[in-house]
Amino acid sequence: QSALTQPASVSGSPGQSITISCTGTSSDVGAYNYVSWYQQHPGKAPKLMIHDVTNRPSGVSNRFSGSKSGNTASLTISGLQAEDEADYYCDSYTSSTTWVFGGGTKLTVL
Amino acid sequence: QITLKESGPTLVKPTQTLTLTCTFSGFSLTTSGVGVGWIRQPPGKALQWLALVYYNDDKRYNPSLRSRLTITKDTSKNQVVLTMTNMDHVDTATYYCAHRPEDRGVRGFDAWGQGTLVTVSS
Repeated sequence: QSALTQPASVSGSPGQSITISCTGTSSDVGAYNYVSWYQQHPGKAPKLMIHDVTNRPSGVSNRFSGSKSGNTASLTISGLQAEDEADYYCDSYTSSTTWVFGGGTKLTVL
Repeated sequence: QITLKESGPTLVKPTQTLTLTCTFSGFSLTTSGVGVGWIRQPPGKALQWLALVYYNDDKRYNPSLRSRLTITKDTSKNQVVLTMTNMDHVDTATYYCAHRPEDRGVRGFDAWGQGTLVTVSS
């Protein structure tokens, strides 16, 4: 069970939009619409930002959005703010009826 | 309000068995679709999904760790216990438990414990 592939780092300036990719296979990301995204600030527990590819939990800013095309899911953050600087992880259900996380992406707000 | 809290030893020796307890409130693990999972994170590294138990005692394990893990639930105590055998230095990590409300169509972990750091060292 290999981890999903995410870029190690992305950056953007306040107000800009950035996109983080999460690439899997036809046995996980490509097979199911069960991709989630988590935000993790240093020393804190992860926070669910997107579930089921596109759905935002109550209380999560609408600046966060999710999508999927083929074996790659994406998290887009628009109107970047300083508070968005964090690590971001994706996860996906797999054909083995288990889950797998991505390697994580560090977002820097310049 | 949903809360989860992990408890267990902070230090274990190599080859020992780790037992962690997740005590939760604000939901019931008898509700159809609800699950509680364990996820770990080595220092400075990525999250790794370990195991999950559903309301109906359906259990799932990370295939690469399957032989070392056991997850159980005690609904009367609102607890989920994870045991990991044959601990090694590479198992040093912060261990989290988390709530999965698939009863509400949320296929993600929407509430997490604060995590507990477990160090493996002789």
